[in-house]
Amino acid sequence: NAGVTQTPKFQVLKTGQSMTLQCAQDMNHNSMYWYRQDPGMGLRLIYYSASEGTTDKGEVPNGYNVSRLNKREFSLRLESAAPSQTSVYFCASSETGDERAQYFGPGTRLLVL
Amino acid sequence: QKEVEQNSGPLSVPEGAIASLNCTYSDRVSQSFFWYRQYSGKSPELIMSIYSNGDKEDGRFTAQLNKASQYVSLLIRDSQPSDSATYLCAVNTYTGRRALTFGSGTRLQVQP
Repeated sequence: NAGVTQTPKFQVLKTGQSMTLQCAQDMNHNSMYWYRQDPGMGLRLIYYSASEGTTDKGEVPNGYNVSRLNKREFSLRLESAAPSQTSVYFCASSETGDERAQYFGPGTRLLVL
Repeated sequence: QKEVEQNSGPLSVPEGAIASLNCTYSDRVSQSFFWYRQYSGKSPELIMSIYSNGDKEDGRFTAQLNKASQYVSLLIRDSQPSDSATYLCAVNTYTGRRALTFGSGTRLQVQP
């Protein structure tokens, strides 16, 4: 039981390049989330998917798109990376409902030059 | 006012002492409260959840919730150097998004 997995662990991009961050969970959770974490800013929600087939914007969605591929997988895409998107990205999952605890993946460190 | 506020620290305590970490939240109707521990370079790890007023104990950890004062705290008894980490408070705030809101975290340093 791996929990929440993320790939890649680390990525360097040039400004304007695109990439997709992958996330998968094996806990049979309905809800999945993408956060970014910057020094002094805490965790900020980018997008979330309350259940398979639905996605919603979070606090900082600009510059990102998501796809809930199936119940297990939730990907985050940067279409045209900017230096301001340099951050650590965490995927999380939970049972249905915003009152449920979330469980995090190991994170992806992204550097945009 | 931030929805979930924590003192950034660092909070420094000697080994064996009680560490007290505090969190305030602004949404009076919040129902679920969580504490996460995050070691440097790692992802947040759930350590406690609390839903009702009062205390909840789990090993060396005690979570305390006071909904009237909109205040949740985490006590760590017999603090160990391995407890040195950043502790994140998370609350379900009804902002129209079905997700938790996280505080910025308090950095705890346990001195040997």
